[in-house]
This record gives sequence, C-alpha cells and structure tokens, in this order.
Amino acid sequence: QVQLVQSGAEVKKPGASVKVSCKASGYTFTGYYMHWVRQAPGQGLEWMGRINPNSGGTNYAQKFEARVTMTRDTSISTVYMELSRLTSDDTAVYYCARKGPFDYWGQGTLVTVSS
Amino acid sequence: DIQLTQSPSFLSASVGDRVTITCRASQGISSYLAWYQQKPGKAPKLLISAASTLQSGVPSRFSGSGSGTEFTLTISSLQPEDFATYYCQQLNNYPTFGQGTRLEIK
Repeated sequence: QVQLVQSGAEVKKPGASVKVSCKASGYTFTGYYMHWVRQAPGQGLEWMGRINPNSGGTNYAQKFEARVTMTRDTSISTVYMELSRLTSDDTAVYYCARKGPFDYWGQGTLVTVSS
Repeated sequence: DIQLTQSPSFLSASVGDRVTITCRASQGISSYLAWYQQKPGKAPKLLISAASTLQSGVPSRFSGSGSGTEFTLTISSLQPEDFATYYCQQLNNYPTFGQGTRLEIK
C-alpha cells in the first residue's frame, strides 16, 4: 500500500533553516510528482512546490522561490524540502503529497519557529 | 496565479441535510478541480478529482459538478462523520487551494 512517512517535528530559531523528509513506499517512486503543502495553525492549505522524482526537476510557488529547495534521493525513495531564513510566519504543519490531484499525503511535520 | 473563492466559509447544518459548497475560479480551469476533506489534526483526503470523479471508497452521497469557473460539491444527506473542513483545489496551472469551508453540526 502507498505510504508517505515524514520526519518528526522540528523547533527552529528565526533565521535558521529546516529540512523535512518524506519517505515513499508501495509504488514506483520515480513515477509520480511529489508536492509540498503547508498549513499554518488554524489556516488553510498553501502549495509550496513540487519535484519530479525521476528528473529532479522542481517548480516552486513564487512566494517561496527564494527560500525553498526540494531534492530527492532515489536510492531511498525519499524527497526533501528545505526552507531557509525562517520566521515565525513559517510555523506550520508541512505535508508531502503525491501526484496531482493529491491522492496520498504524508502525516505532516510540525515546524515551530520561535526564539 | 489562479485564485479560488469558496462559499460559504462557514456552514452549520444537521445530520440528514443536503449541503452545497461552491468554488469559483478567477479564470477558466476546464475541469481541473479537486475537492478535499480535512478533519482536525489529519491530512486532507481526496474526495473528487476532475470536478466530478468520485474517488474509490468515497461514499456516493458526495458529488461534484461544474466546469470553467464555477464548481460545486454536494453532500446529499449529511452523516456525523462529514463534519469537517472542505477545500477545493485547481490543477490547471500550479496548484492553488480555496480558503476552505468549515462544516459544523447545528
């Protein structure tokens, strides 16, 4: 069965970076785009970008383009999302999601940015 | 970016009610629209893709319709487990989401 398992919660200081992982299983990893979506506390869903696990090609939402990097390691079927220059506004749950429309989601990773 | 506007943002209804949520796109998106259900503390769940295609395992009381700029999600007879927040998403270009509709029990 398809599973997306994300890394655990993180607490970061303003100005730091965070790297969240998403390990895929149960399907051909290189066959489907992987997206990242975040959700601030009590707020809606915000698309951040996507990666093609086959080619490594990425597309980022304009809002995050200067601060986000998405990568993958095909040997372990894992994608990564790194967000730099964190502020308190980046406090959110970060999800990876497969394909588009997003048929499978990770469990979410809470990133808290606090001094 | 393509903007999606959902209405209403908040909906109070009773078990057994029929409810409809609307999603309007700022420009035409053909049928590249999906609907998700999210419960507190959980990841969203895909209900409908391509505006009207029900995902496997989703109860038939859920239905979607529309094309172009106006879309609807209808729940024909609300069940207790349907009280959640619903989001539309366009996939015509880079994905964007509506702001959400919170469905609460009356």
